[in-house]
Amino acid sequence: DAGVTQSPTHLIKTRGQHVTLRCSPISGHKSVSWYQQVLGQGPQFIFQYYEKEERGRGNFPDRFSARQFPNYSSELNVNALLLGDSALYLCASSLGGSNEKLFFGSGTQLSVL
Amino acid sequence: AQKVTQAQTEISVVEKEDVTLDCVYETRDTTYYLFWYKQPPSGELVFLIRRNSFDEQNEISGRYSWNFQKSTSSFNFTITASQVVDSAVYFCALRKAAGNKLTFGGGTRVLVKP
Repeated sequence: DAGVTQSPTHLIKTRGQHVTLRCSPISGHKSVSWYQQVLGQGPQFIFQYYEKEERGRGNFPDRFSARQFPNYSSELNVNALLLGDSALYLCASSLGGSNEKLFFGSGTQLSVL
Repeated sequence: AQKVTQAQTEISVVEKEDVTLDCVYETRDTTYYLFWYKQPPSGELVFLIRRNSFDEQNEISGRYSWNFQKSTSSFNFTITASQVVDSAVYFCALRKAAGNKLTFGGGTRVLVKP
């Protein structure tokens, strides 16, 4: 079975642009979470979606938004990009229960110039 | 608020040496989960272990072992007889009883030299 897949793997944008990152969870997983990992730091929680509804949001500005589709895949959107948005964006999926371990994808490396 | 501290930023050892990674956490919750993840250069976070707050039994899995001490809010990780393939960044993380929000520490980079 395929693991969590993310696309694209790398992306270069300029300040002020918009970006969309995509994530396909493991088959059968209904929950998707997004994390931002700045170089040299631990991942920071951005969003969790379960059954297409937002179930949690981290301390990120409104420029960050996400959604989950009926097939449980997800998109993370970031508007008005800043240099500080440069990071590895990780997607994780789980079955959806409260006692679940997360399976992470390899991430999308976003560089904002 | 929850917080995880990994005081060691980088550890360098020679192959076959043991290495212990420290993790200290802060939470006001009585029920919580602790995790360790490995991040190789590929970027993917690989799950190693999950422990709930009511289970203080130490655990051994192959060359990996974990020491959970609730009294000191620590969840340390030891790699025995390290190998070059163990070179990676290791993250300790904390999660509430519900939800998928993991609070990660800053990570410890382990470099195993042949």
